[in-house]
Amino acid sequence: AQTVTQSQPEMSVQEAETVTLSCTYDTSESDYYLFWYKQPPSRQMILVIRQEAYKQQNATENRFSVNFQKAAKSFSLKISDSQLGDAAMYFCAYRSRGSQGNLIFGKGTKLSVKP
Amino acid sequence: GAGVSQSPSNKVTEKGKDVELRCDPISGHTALYWYRQRLGQGLEFLIYFQGNSAPDKSGLPSDRFSAERTGESVSTLTIQRTQQEDSAVYLCASSLAGAPGEQYFGPGTRLTVT
Repeated sequence: AQTVTQSQPEMSVQEAETVTLSCTYDTSESDYYLFWYKQPPSRQMILVIRQEAYKQQNATENRFSVNFQKAAKSFSLKISDSQLGDAAMYFCAYRSRGSQGNLIFGKGTKLSVKP
Repeated sequence: GAGVSQSPSNKVTEKGKDVELRCDPISGHTALYWYRQRLGQGLEFLIYFQGNSAPDKSGLPSDRFSAERTGESVSTLTIQRTQQEDSAVYLCASSLAGAPGEQYFGPGTRLTVT
């Protein structure tokens, strides 16, 4: 079975600085998707960024980018120019490509942004 | 357009009572998922509906949990004889058929069992 591990329960960053959130996963599959979701206090899960495992190029979305290391099964999220609105829980998630099945989530990292 | 909606937003119930949680997916989304999020934890998969196919119930924690979906619209998650360990936020998500896992989440229902 696949597992997702986020080893940083909490992280803090100064406004305008850069922070990296870590995620590792375990799978025997070769083709899959990886995601980072943001969950603010409103509880609404918001998709931040998505990576397809067969693509070597790291995904980027404005200030958000990932460092995808397939061999190491690592998928970290980098947030540049951090803003107060980035403060939230961040969840790393995995999904098999072969079926439109459920997401497997890590336990999350709580990010605080200091003004 | 409208996103995924869930009701009620919050529910407090006494141990042993049954509860029903509702999810309205985005119109046209054939796939619907239920997840449970305990305090300080990630999301746990409960059940998945895809069109008219038999649902994937592999995540349901016990036979007290069940869910139904009417066609490709509303879904109801029912928890019978609630226990204190059922206290959690229950999140619903929907997606298009064939979409590469891009699930859109509702705001969740916070269930508290006293």
